[in-house]
Amino acid sequence: SAVISQKPSRDICQRGTSLTIQCQVDSQVTMMFWYRQQPGQSLTLIATANQGSEATYESGFVIDKFPISRPNLTFSTLTVSNMSPEDSSIYLCSVGGDRTQYFGPGTRLTVL
Amino acid sequence: GQNIDQPTEMTATEGAIVQINCTYQTSGFNGLFWYQQHAGEAPTFLSYNVLDGLEEKGRFSSFLSRSKGYSYLLLKELQMKDSASYLCAVRGGSNDYKLSFGAGTTVTVRA
Repeated sequence: SAVISQKPSRDICQRGTSLTIQCQVDSQVTMMFWYRQQPGQSLTLIATANQGSEATYESGFVIDKFPISRPNLTFSTLTVSNMSPEDSSIYLCSVGGDRTQYFGPGTRLTVL
Repeated sequence: GQNIDQPTEMTATEGAIVQINCTYQTSGFNGLFWYQQHAGEAPTFLSYNVLDGLEEKGRFSSFLSRSKGYSYLLLKELQMKDSASYLCAVRGGSNDYKLSFGAGTTVTVRA
């Protein structure tokens, strides 16, 4: 199984600011995913981060709001830009294989 | 589009068995996952089914019928620590690993 770490684990931010979340995996993976889990809700995929190319965003999510970097096969960042209280969520990084998909511990974001 | 349905809540007694059903209608199918999520924590992988039939892992078993678009997660010999949310997730495409999640089933185990 993959070991995934995320930084920060939690943060409280002011509206209008931006936060960059880091995801580190202990092995090389082709695809990394960013999910959001709003309070009391299930998980929603934001985007797929591929190394060496632009991220692929799901419907309802745009690059200007959630820019993603994927500089190598073990690391990715997700930035939540120009935050509003509606962005208060847990943001989770995930990696997958043929028969598995694992999640990082998540970043709990509160926007005031 | 993806449509994944599971019950919102279930309650059972310690030591009993609970079955959580999941039905799905998705554009493409390449596997179904079950996750356990305790409050405030990340989802933990429980099982993966891609072929029809039953997969057993200790107290947990998962079943899949692709023709019916149906899966269930069976939890046996329930323990208090099994109180959690259980998420059904479907992988749609053959070349991407992204998952679509159901809303989750909150299981409460009572003494």
